[in-house]
Amino acid sequence: LAKTTQPISMDSYEGQEVNITCSHNNIATNDYITWYQQFPSQGPRFIIQGYKTKVTNEVASLFIPADRKSSTLSLPRVSLSDTAVYYCLVGDGRKLIFGQGTELSVKP
Amino acid sequence: GAVVSQHPSRVICKSGTSVKIECRSLDFQATTMFWYRQFPKKSLMLMATSNEGSKATYEQGVEKDKFLINHASLTLSTLTVTSAHPEDSSFYICSARTRERGRQETQYFGPGTRLLVL
Repeated sequence: LAKTTQPISMDSYEGQEVNITCSHNNIATNDYITWYQQFPSQGPRFIIQGYKTKVTNEVASLFIPADRKSSTLSLPRVSLSDTAVYYCLVGDGRKLIFGQGTELSVKP
Repeated sequence: GAVVSQHPSRVICKSGTSVKIECRSLDFQATTMFWYRQFPKKSLMLMATSNEGSKATYEQGVEKDKFLINHASLTLSTLTVTSAHPEDSSFYICSARTRERGRQETQYFGPGTRLLVL
């Protein structure tokens, strides 16, 4: 299973765009990248998933360069309610091993 | 997205008793479910993979006789913490794997169960 590395924490202000980058140097050919959001005392919530290039949905965008050794989750115009821990996971769907995640704090 | 429920949401029990936690996939069938535990300010730790109709696969260091897993149907997996002790107090989260249209196989998580053993 590919190991992921993310910043431990990030700070932002309401209305700003936030980009969280995840490194996964040993990603395998069959692996895809999935990001989850977790609030305290809740289960992780699926945000976005991709294999290569760019994926966009109603809440976020995911940028994956050609070598796929990293990925960037982009949250447009964050609000206070986006304060949470964000996890980047890499795998082929068989099982997920969570890293430390990035604790995002959005300030007014 | 797919919905996964857990019951109970929180439970308090006495040391030495057993506690059962249910995990259900509400709008899809899941041949594979997963059980995690999470301590405060820590990441999720995978405990075991639950396969419908067969024995669960436990991660290294997880006692299979203490954490009994039963995946009796395509929508239900249960985790029983046997002879619970205070150190078993934690946040237990399940997930179910499915493939939705346009996506690879993805895990969807339940809301979690807070266990406190006195």
